[in-house]
Amino acid sequence: GENVEQHPSTLSVQEGDSAVIKCTYSDSASNYFPWYKQELGKGPQLIIDIRSNVGEKKDQRIAVTLNKTAKHFSLHITETQPEDSAVYFCAASIYNQGGKLIFGQGTELSVKP
Amino acid sequence: EAGVAQSPRYKIIEKRQSVAFWCNPISGHATLYWYQQILGQGPKLLIQFQNNGVVDDSQLPKDRFSAERLKGVDSTLKIQPAKLEDSAVYLCASSLGSEVAGELFFGEGSRLTVL
Repeated sequence: GENVEQHPSTLSVQEGDSAVIKCTYSDSASNYFPWYKQELGKGPQLIIDIRSNVGEKKDQRIAVTLNKTAKHFSLHITETQPEDSAVYFCAASIYNQGGKLIFGQGTELSVKP
Repeated sequence: EAGVAQSPRYKIIEKRQSVAFWCNPISGHATLYWYQQILGQGPKLLIQFQNNGVVDDSQLPKDRFSAERLKGVDSTLKIQPAKLEDSAVYLCASSLGSEVAGELFFGEGSRLTVL
């Protein structure tokens, strides 16, 4: 089955710097890759997603890139702010088999003011 | 629009006792999921319902875990008997449908501590 590896497990940056979180997946059939943000005591919340027919997607300060050949995808956050501090999870699934997400282990991002 | 509701938020039990968690998904969402999130790990799918039918329960420890979704709306997840390793946050999520992948809306979770 699918396995998703995520790095780093913790990341500390200064406010205004960029943050990059990387994930690799094992199942070449996976073609949908969402990123979720989880704040303390809350459930995960979708922040951006990408399908494998697209190499890059951007939404204001966040962007996701996908390298299907290498089976890895990354989350980029620019101009980080203290409110970006949270745990971020990547996930993978097969788009037309809907729903079942395999999550990475998570990255705890800390943005220092 | 109301989000996914879960209760209780916290539960502490002794091992071998039983516990039940309740979830009410977003109105109109056909698909409901239960995920287990052990501290420091990503969520792991336990069971997925489409309306009141089970789509995937391959990772549900069926000797001790059970779940139902009566009338295709709210759902309960039961653990009996609980083990120490069941200590985790149990997240319920819902989505519009399961034919294609899309956004999952998560509740705040039910934190279980087994002593």
